Amino acid sequence: QSVLTQPPSASGTPGQRVTISCSGSSSNIGSSYVYWYQQLPGTAPKLLIYMNNLRPSGVPDRFSGSKSGTSASLAISGLRSEDESDYYCGTWDSSQSGSWVFGGGTKLTVL
Amino acid sequence: EVQLVESGGGLVQPGGSLRLSCASSGFNFNNYSMNWVRQAPGKGLEWVSYITSSSSSIYYADSVKGRFTISRDNAKNSLYLQMDGLRADDTAVYFCARLVAMDVWGQGTTVTVSS
Repeated sequence: QSVLTQPPSASGTPGQRVTISCSGSSSNIGSSYVYWYQQLPGTAPKLLIYMNNLRPSGVPDRFSGSKSGTSASLAISGLRSEDESDYYCGTWDSSQSGSWVFGGGTKLTVL
Repeated sequence: EVQLVESGGGLVQPGGSLRLSCASSGFNFNNYSMNWVRQAPGKGLEWVSYITSSSSSIYYADSVKGRFTISRDNAKNSLYLQMDGLRADDTAVYFCARLVAMDVWGQGTTVTVSS
């Protein structure tokens, strides 16, 4: 059971806009930046969004992040077949002695 | 090119030990905090440990606290994870990743704990 809650799956057709949610609490999302990662099958994760809504260079502007209170979202517009991947949210959790926490991951299928 | 390369994985019996290494290149390793993250077969990402650039602060996941030790050698541009008391549920691909943001990842090294 992950500290951050993501839907296990999401889907969309090419060109559509899809969103993936990430729900936490005041000790994690509510008080820290949120990060999003994309993991293609058999590869290492890749940073997609940092500090809630910023994109590293090279990440298309079709990807966007947002945060409100203790929840965050990743939006992908103009969905493409190559976006089919696993997506994870992550943040620092300040409860107890402090730790990083990931969501359980969302598998995005492009229909 | 900024790069992280893990090594040291393998097959080990329950209760055994392994030392993972993460060699960095293409950036000033001294200035960057680092993480270890693992992924069990067919499962999601699990953060394992974090160390600041000067090793002044270290954090561990509860699941490995007291068994794993993170360290670094800035002179050798390398990060390490000493894993003792290994259990079957430590079986995973272990990645090293740069910064709290985890902006750069290695390709991973596989650890299998089995008799």
